[in-house]
Amino acid sequence: DAKTTQPNSMESNEEEPVHLPCNHSTISGTDYIHWYRQLPSQGPEYVIHGLTSNVNNRMASLAIAEDRKSSTLILHRATLRDAAVYYCILRDVSYNTDKLIFGTGTRLQVFP
Amino acid sequence: NAGVTQTPKFRILKIGQSMTLQCTQDMNHNYMYWYRQDPGMGLKLIYYSVGAGITDKGEVPNGYNVSRSTTEDFPLRLELAAPSQTSVYFCASSQPGGPDTEAFFGQGTRLTVV
Repeated sequence: DAKTTQPNSMESNEEEPVHLPCNHSTISGTDYIHWYRQLPSQGPEYVIHGLTSNVNNRMASLAIAEDRKSSTLILHRATLRDAAVYYCILRDVSYNTDKLIFGTGTRLQVFP
Repeated sequence: NAGVTQTPKFRILKIGQSMTLQCTQDMNHNYMYWYRQDPGMGLKLIYYSVGAGITDKGEVPNGYNVSRSTTEDFPLRLELAAPSQTSVYFCASSQPGGPDTEAFFGQGTRLTVV
């Protein structure tokens, strides 16, 4: 399973943009890049995913490097509710082997 | 719209006791997963299933067993509880068709073994 590397923690002030990096130098051509977040005392929730092109949704944006060896989750205006652990995951769905392995994640603190 | 439901939410077990953590989903998802999360740590995959009758080990399967007799249910069995199994357990489900589908997680079961 390809691995991801993320900083242990990051800080942001409310209403500022946040850029959460993820390195995945061993990514394969069939790996999709997924991001999940885990709010305190809750199960993880899906944020966004992509393959090669940058992606936007109502929660965030995902910027993927041209060589796909890194990606960045962008929260355009952080709120206190965005304080969570953010996980970057590579998802290879080769037939019957979708293990969905989590790494250690980045703990985001948001200050008022 | 229930999604993924886990029961119980909390449980205290004595060393050596056994129990089953229940997980059911109403989204007709083929893929289901069990994770454990120790305090301050990330999620570790225990077992997963790609469909009824098919299960496979994840990263930390020792001390656990699973079965998948229906699409909806994926129970996790602890046969001889040990203090090292004190953790929060999360169940998740996902649709195949690959990477274009998100996984949905339950709210977790907090288990303490004393």
